Amino acid sequence: EAEVAQSPRYKITEKSQAVAFWCDPISGHATLYWYRQILGQGPELLVQFQDESVVDDSQLPKDRFSAERLKGVDSTLKIQPAELGDSAMYLCASSLSGLDEQFFGPGTRLTVL
Amino acid sequence: QKEVEQDPGPLSVPEGAIVSLNCTYSNSAFQYFMWYRQYSRKGPELLMYTYSSGNKEDGRFTAQVDKSSKYISLFIRDSQPSDSATYLCAGRDSWGKFQFGAGTQVVVTP
Repeated sequence: EAEVAQSPRYKITEKSQAVAFWCDPISGHATLYWYRQILGQGPELLVQFQDESVVDDSQLPKDRFSAERLKGVDSTLKIQPAELGDSAMYLCASSLSGLDEQFFGPGTRLTVL
Repeated sequence: QKEVEQDPGPLSVPEGAIVSLNCTYSNSAFQYFMWYRQYSRKGPELLMYTYSSGNKEDGRFTAQVDKSSKYISLFIRDSQPSDSATYLCAGRDSWGKFQFGAGTQVVVTP
């Protein structure tokens, strides 16, 4: 069964350092999402791609976060510099289009010390 | 105010009981409603996907949507310890705007 892949699964870093997360969506899925989930809360959308284009990044803290999906397949989310408040689970999801059900990856748990 | 509200729980039930989960939403543009299950330290997995008002059944799971009261429900029959997880409800409008609730933690005790 096709799955969304994410790496790393866990990341511990110190504040002010740079971190990067990688996501490989289900093959053929044009839409890719990055979410942040703080413990005890639901996922919150950071950025949505349609192929290689950003559709929605209104909630992305652009002073420190960046995301790219250069060839419209896999994607990278970067944080520089990391802050203590960035500690969370970062989830990637994909769907055939922005109107279909989303399938989530296992997430990357980030701890900022 | 969040567009989807959900009681965080925890909700503890004995094995074999019916689990009843609820969400309310405020965005009248939501047409599609979803329930996801999330085990600890894992990504959410889709359980139920419904359109507009009505009921949908899949095995032990039943999802209900009442658009007139902006209320969505998930029922789990014959609950098992393996059903212990956090259940997230979500709504989506016709343009793809998607909003999750905070999730309800469910504990099924043997």
